[in-house]
Amino acid sequence: GAGVSQTPSNKVTEKGKYVELRCDPISGHTALYWYRQSLGQGPEFLIYFQGTGAADDSGLPNDRFFAVRPEGSVSTLKIQRTERGDSAVYLCASRPTGGAGNEQFFGPGTRLTVL
Amino acid sequence: DQQVKQNSPSLSVQEGRISILNCDYTNSMFDYFLWYKKYPAEGPTFLISISSIKDKNEDGRFTVFLNKSAKHLSLHIVPSQPGDSAVYFCAARQGGSEKLVFGKGTKLTVNP
Repeated sequence: GAGVSQTPSNKVTEKGKYVELRCDPISGHTALYWYRQSLGQGPEFLIYFQGTGAADDSGLPNDRFFAVRPEGSVSTLKIQRTERGDSAVYLCASRPTGGAGNEQFFGPGTRLTVL
Repeated sequence: DQQVKQNSPSLSVQEGRISILNCDYTNSMFDYFLWYKKYPAEGPTFLISISSIKDKNEDGRFTVFLNKSAKHLSLHIVPSQPGDSAVYFCAARQGGSEKLVFGKGTKLTVNP
């Protein structure tokens, strides 16, 4: 079956612009996560959705970052007034809640470059 | 303040030999640990995991060992293959939380 997909694969924008990053989780997965990976670092947690609601948004760095999952499947990460420090690979992951394992399945990521 | 530490940025081994990747953690509330493998331009791929109630979990060529008293875990790959060359991330989860805390990764190179 299809894995987690993310679009676009690459996004280049200018400082101050608004961007949206999309994540399509594995069909039937109720849990969805966003992480950010900067160069030379491991993925860093941003937000976790259970169904349509954000169950944990403690990793969002500031109020310029916002994420939605209106129908409990596709999610969009929105970044306002982008800054050069937002440049990173944004990873999405999903997991079937109640499954035997605890592993999260990651997509290929969106590489965001803010000029 | 890094809660999960992978102190070796890189490791190089010969094909057929054992690869040992290490990970240390500071948060005693972590109850589940995972290893992910990442190839360039791809997302992390789950490899193997271990619950804090166990000290060893094995899956084919991959074995993870957990030493809770030392807050240390390791991933053993035997025998190592060139296709194992990738960045390996250690991750941990605290009970009651869904978020994974990752180390910085170790780049493994397996030479033919």
